[in-house]
Amino acid sequence: AQSVSQHNHHVILSEAASLELGCNYSYGGTVNLFWYVQYPGQHLQLLLKYFSGDPLVKGIKGFEAEFIKSKFSFNLRKPSVQWSDTAEYFCAGTRRWGATNKLIFGTGTLLAVQP
Amino acid sequence: NAGVTQTPKFQVLKTGQSMTLQCAQDMNHEYMSWYRQDPGMGLRLIHYSVGAGITDQGEVPNGYNVSRSTTEDFPLRLLSAAPSQTSVYFCASTRDKLNYGYTFGSGTRLTVV
Repeated sequence: AQSVSQHNHHVILSEAASLELGCNYSYGGTVNLFWYVQYPGQHLQLLLKYFSGDPLVKGIKGFEAEFIKSKFSFNLRKPSVQWSDTAEYFCAGTRRWGATNKLIFGTGTLLAVQP
Repeated sequence: NAGVTQTPKFQVLKTGQSMTLQCAQDMNHEYMSWYRQDPGMGLRLIHYSVGAGITDQGEVPNGYNVSRSTTEDFPLRLLSAAPSQTSVYFCASTRDKLNYGYTFGSGTRLTVV
């Protein structure tokens, strides 16, 4: 079955540390991948997306992700985190569902950045 | 520029009660969806719509109904609330399937006691 996996459930970093959150997907064919962020008490916001082309995708707030087809991975990175990056991060991919595509979400990674 | 508006933000229901979660978007998006978010399970699709008058089931549709009489509105109805429906509910919309990424509402936190 098509799925998206996030293996890091909780990550704690100090400010200025580098961040890498893992995301693996388990299906082939056309791959559309996303990273969403959910700040405490807020709704999900799109950080970045990959549909095709350059496998290194740059998003908002200094985040980037690299699509590595051979590893079925789409890891999220940021060179230097800030306290304001404390949030839950969801990787997602698309899957055909009836007349449309639906998002398949990973279970999320809770990032806590300590000042 | 409101985006996707959900009401209410919080709700407590007794088992067996019914209610409607409202969702409205002002971006003229064709595709709208309802997801529920539960700890350790990510977000799961409840129902979706590909346009006014067209709805279909997602992966966890039981206990929920939807309708789409207009492009703007996509309400979610709980027919007879159960404690298992305690969750955070998100409505989302997109212009063309997922090519432009979903816009999510701010969520409704529902507790069923």
